[in-house]
Amino acid sequence: AQKVTQAQTEISVVEKEDVTLDCVYETRDTTYYLFWYKQPPSGELVFLIRRNSFDEQNEISGRYSWNFQKSTSSFNFTITASQVVDSAVYFCALDNYGQNFVFGPGTRLSVLP
Amino acid sequence: DAGITQSPRYKITETGRQVTLMCHQTWSHSYMFWYRQDLGHGLRLIYYSAAADITDKGEVPDGYVVSRSKTENFPLTLESATRSQTSVYFCASSESIGASSSYNEQFFGPGTRLTVL
Repeated sequence: AQKVTQAQTEISVVEKEDVTLDCVYETRDTTYYLFWYKQPPSGELVFLIRRNSFDEQNEISGRYSWNFQKSTSSFNFTITASQVVDSAVYFCALDNYGQNFVFGPGTRLSVLP
Repeated sequence: DAGITQSPRYKITETGRQVTLMCHQTWSHSYMFWYRQDLGHGLRLIYYSAAADITDKGEVPDGYVVSRSKTENFPLTLESATRSQTSVYFCASSESIGASSSYNEQFFGPGTRLTVL
């Protein structure tokens, strides 16, 4: 069965600090997708990134970066120089090509001014 | 407006009543999904649909019914609402899923907050 664990329930940082959100997944499939979504206080879900299991390259997008390591089944998300607008709940998700889309419980990030 | 909409945005009902949550998308996406969001559980998939007249169960389908007579609509019905179904419900759509380069992420609606008294 698929499972996504986000061990950090809540994180608080001060603005401009770097912060890493952890995501560990379990799957027996060799092919799958991993995702990160952001849910700001307004409630909508915003897609951030998709990563194919065959592609272990790390990715950087502005202040965001993602570290995908199949050896440890982790797909961690780092925000550099955090800002107050980064305050949100962040969800990691796993999809084995549509058979079962599973979300983690989420990590609530609070960035304090 | 283009996108994915849900109605109503807020609903209060009583135990035992039937409730239907509506979802409409204007992109002609093939796939549509219903999730519920509860504290500590993230989002859990209730049902999904690959195309009109094709639906399948997700992780937590009990107590829910779906239909998809038209590509753009995917209503979710609680046939006899229970307090445990108090939750925020999200509808999502995706152009495609599966092992292809055209795999797209899911786009989510704004959510419906349902309270069952």
